[in-house]
Amino acid sequence: DTAVSQTPKYLVTQMGNDKSIKCEQNLGHDTMYWYKQDSKKFLKIMFSYNNKELIINETVPNRFSPKSPDKAHLNLHINSLELGDSAVYFCASSQRMQDSPLHFGNGTRLTVT
Amino acid sequence: KQEVTQIPAALSVPEGENLVLNCSFTDSAIYNLQWFRQDPGKGLTSLLLIQSSQREQTSGRLNASLDKSSGRSTLYIAASQPGDSATYLCAVGGAGSYQLTFGKGTKLSVIP
Repeated sequence: DTAVSQTPKYLVTQMGNDKSIKCEQNLGHDTMYWYKQDSKKFLKIMFSYNNKELIINETVPNRFSPKSPDKAHLNLHINSLELGDSAVYFCASSQRMQDSPLHFGNGTRLTVT
Repeated sequence: KQEVTQIPAALSVPEGENLVLNCSFTDSAIYNLQWFRQDPGKGLTSLLLIQSSQREQTSGRLNASLDKSSGRSTLYIAASQPGDSATYLCAVGGAGSYQLTFGKGTKLSVIP
């Protein structure tokens, strides 16, 4: 049973397209996150939702829009994709916001051509 | 702004050795610190979480220590095995903040 699952695993698309990445967790956690790992392997938070409410919204272009239909899902929609958006995007969840370990999905490798 | 540094960037050791990975952070006002491992093509796996009030946490062959005042944490791996080969990341949770700041990781190779 996969705890945090995200789809697709790989996404190759052209500049200007709109794409979505889906994430689901079956751990019953209250908090979900999106992280971006760039080519230098540096991980940086993008968004965090707690009980479907947006808590963290880092300096991310407004082309990126998270959507949380329920506590178990946090999807990431990206409009007008740019070359610089190429990275690995990780979904994660935790029981609570601050004092719980994070559980990560296996990542979605996005390549924009 | 919190900055997290991990040294060395890469480490290669023979099987069976004990080793220490280092993590330093610039702002000592932290809520907690987590150590993760990342295998190639995979997500991160949480290894240990140390609350700011704790000095260390242990899990099996792993021991993580935290010295808030000096802005340092170490991850000690005893009797290393080839299966320990991975990238180890340190992440600091800021007090009053809900986000983790990650280091760039130490890539560990354990040679059989």
